[in-house]
Amino acid sequence: NAGVTQTPKFRILKIGQSMTLQCTQDMNHNYMYWYRQDPGMGLKLIYYSVGAGITDKGEVPNGYNVSRSTTEDFPLRLELAAPSQTSVYFCASTPRGPEQYFGPGTRLTVT
Amino acid sequence: AQSVTQPDIHITVSEGASLELRCNYSYGATPYLFWYVQSPGQGLQLLLKYFSGDTLVQGIKGFEAEFKRSQSSFNLRKPSVHWSDAAEYFCAVGPGTNDYKLSFGAGTTVTVRA
Repeated sequence: NAGVTQTPKFRILKIGQSMTLQCTQDMNHNYMYWYRQDPGMGLKLIYYSVGAGITDKGEVPNGYNVSRSTTEDFPLRLELAAPSQTSVYFCASTPRGPEQYFGPGTRLTVT
Repeated sequence: AQSVTQPDIHITVSEGASLELRCNYSYGATPYLFWYVQSPGQGLQLLLKYFSGDTLVQGIKGFEAEFKRSQSSFNLRKPSVHWSDAAEYFCAVGPGTNDYKLSFGAGTTVTVRA
């Protein structure tokens, strides 16, 4: 199993551009999560999903959208990128329990 | 809502010395508790977890943590640190609800000096 994979690893966006961060897991986990990590702030939950077709907002959802059409994929969409969205983004999953498995992250810079 | 506090932003320790990282949580019941480690440029790796039972839990890489209900704490310890332990450490708490969401502390950066 590859576990949780994220693409791209790095990306630079201009203000106002949009992009999709990809997250895929091959462990057949129902629950998936998107976090952002900012220095000195820990990880903040953006969106999460408890199964295909079901998503919900986390702590910091503004400026982001998600979809969950399959169990494997949970893409995060940034519309109209802003400098405040410069961050490291982590995707995580869990089968059914609180222990989460993390991807390697995507480092995004918006200039 | 649950919250997690890691009082120490940065700790410097000599190689071979002991290490203790503090974590305090706020939650009405006994939560699920975790310690994750993040090496530079890497994702998060689970060090250990506490769900119930023995309050002293052992993890990978020689780490252990003790759950103290009376102090709402879950401190991480290692008797003798190695240079490879230099990383950022995150404490996390989950209430065990059906969505299994976690709340993370701000993290503690550990520097190991030779």
